Amino acid sequence: QKEVEQNSGPLSVPEGAIASLNCTYSDRVSQSFFWYRQYSGKSPELIMSIYSNGDKEDGRFTAQLNKASQYVSLLIRDSQPSDSATYLCAVNDRGSTLGRLYFGRGTQLTVWP
Amino acid sequence: EAQVTQNPRYLITVTGKKLTVTCSQNMNHEYMSWYRQDPGLGLRQIYYSMNVEVTDKGDVPEGYKVSRKEKRNFPLILESPSPNQTSLYFCASSFTRVFGNQPQHFGDGTRLSIL
Repeated sequence: QKEVEQNSGPLSVPEGAIASLNCTYSDRVSQSFFWYRQYSGKSPELIMSIYSNGDKEDGRFTAQLNKASQYVSLLIRDSQPSDSATYLCAVNDRGSTLGRLYFGRGTQLTVWP
Repeated sequence: EAQVTQNPRYLITVTGKKLTVTCSQNMNHEYMSWYRQDPGLGLRQIYYSMNVEVTDKGDVPEGYKVSRKEKRNFPLILESPSPNQTSLYFCASSFTRVFGNQPQHFGDGTRLSIL
């Protein structure tokens, strides 16, 4: 059983602050890492994907990957109330089940005005 | 428009009455998957399929069946639903690649209540 752990939250930050979301995974051979955002009652939507060590920036979002530490994070700069949602970390299995993704339980983020 | 379509979106039914939730994607994706989501438990995978006629169990397959006769469709079957299968269900699909999967696209979800 692959394990994907996220900081349990909930996380609450003021508008304009940086929100930091963390995720660790157990499988060293994982190759693909994703962050999804999910509003209450809605389907997850992809916001970031990262495949190699280092940082990847997309607008206000930065994903950071450290495969040696088996750690991936998501930073949200200039947080907005509309960022309030649950953020899901997902990690793929490079082994026999190439397509399978493993999800963490999610971190609930609240951005207050 | 590229999409994953689930039907129905909402269903209230009774214990033991067989039901099928359909899932269809128009992106020619090889990989399709079913998840259920319950409060505090996150997304849990029920079944997944790597391609036509290739399916495998996820983490919570008990009480569910699937089939993959066509690439675009991946129905979820509850032969004898029970109240503990009341949940929010998502279908998802993606391309598969040897060195890392592509992101999964999710359907809008099916809220299932079994009385």
